[in-house]
Amino acid sequence: AQTVTQSQPEMSVQEAETVTLSCTYDTSESDYYLFWYKQPPSRQMILVIRQEAYKQQNATENRFSVNFQKAAKSFSLKISDSQLGDAAMYFCAYRSPSGSARQLTFGSGTQLTVLP
Amino acid sequence: EAEVAQSPRYKITEKSQAVAFWCDPISGHATLYWYRQILGQGPELLVQFQDESVVDDSQLPKDRFSAERLKGVDSTLKIQPAELGDSAMYLCASKTGTPLTSRDTQYFGPGTRLTVL
Repeated sequence: AQTVTQSQPEMSVQEAETVTLSCTYDTSESDYYLFWYKQPPSRQMILVIRQEAYKQQNATENRFSVNFQKAAKSFSLKISDSQLGDAAMYFCAYRSPSGSARQLTFGSGTQLTVLP
Repeated sequence: EAEVAQSPRYKITEKSQAVAFWCDPISGHATLYWYRQILGQGPELLVQFQDESVVDDSQLPKDRFSAERLKGVDSTLKIQPAELGDSAMYLCASKTGTPLTSRDTQYFGPGTRLTVL
């Protein structure tokens, strides 16, 4: 079974600075998808960024980018120019490839605080 | 922008009582998921549907939990009887495609926070 580990329960960053959230995973599959989800307080979880394992190029979405190291099974999220609205719980998630009914496996989350 | 709707947002109940949660997925989304999220942890899948059919309920405690999606649109998750350990956030999510297609993005609802006293 796949496992996802987020070793940083809490992180803080100064507004306008850059922060990196860590995620590692364990799998025997070669093709899969990785995600970062953001869950603001009392609001729904939303997708931040997605990475396909077969793509070597790291995904980027505006201020959000990932460092995907397939051999190391590492998938970190970098937030540049942090804003107050980035404060939330961030979850790393793994999805099995097509053909498996077992879907998202989440890590335990990292609580990000943005300091003004 | 279309969203996944859930109700109620908050529910307080006493142990041994029955509770039910409702989810209305984004229109046209064939696949629907129920997750349980214990405070301080990531969501864990309970059950997933494609249309009205259960695809995977291997993690659903079937002695007390049940889920249905009778017409393949909205869904209800029930707990009877509720136990103290059931206190958690219950999240509903939906996506296009089937449970077997991994590329599609899951969209989450705001969740129902259950407190069992």
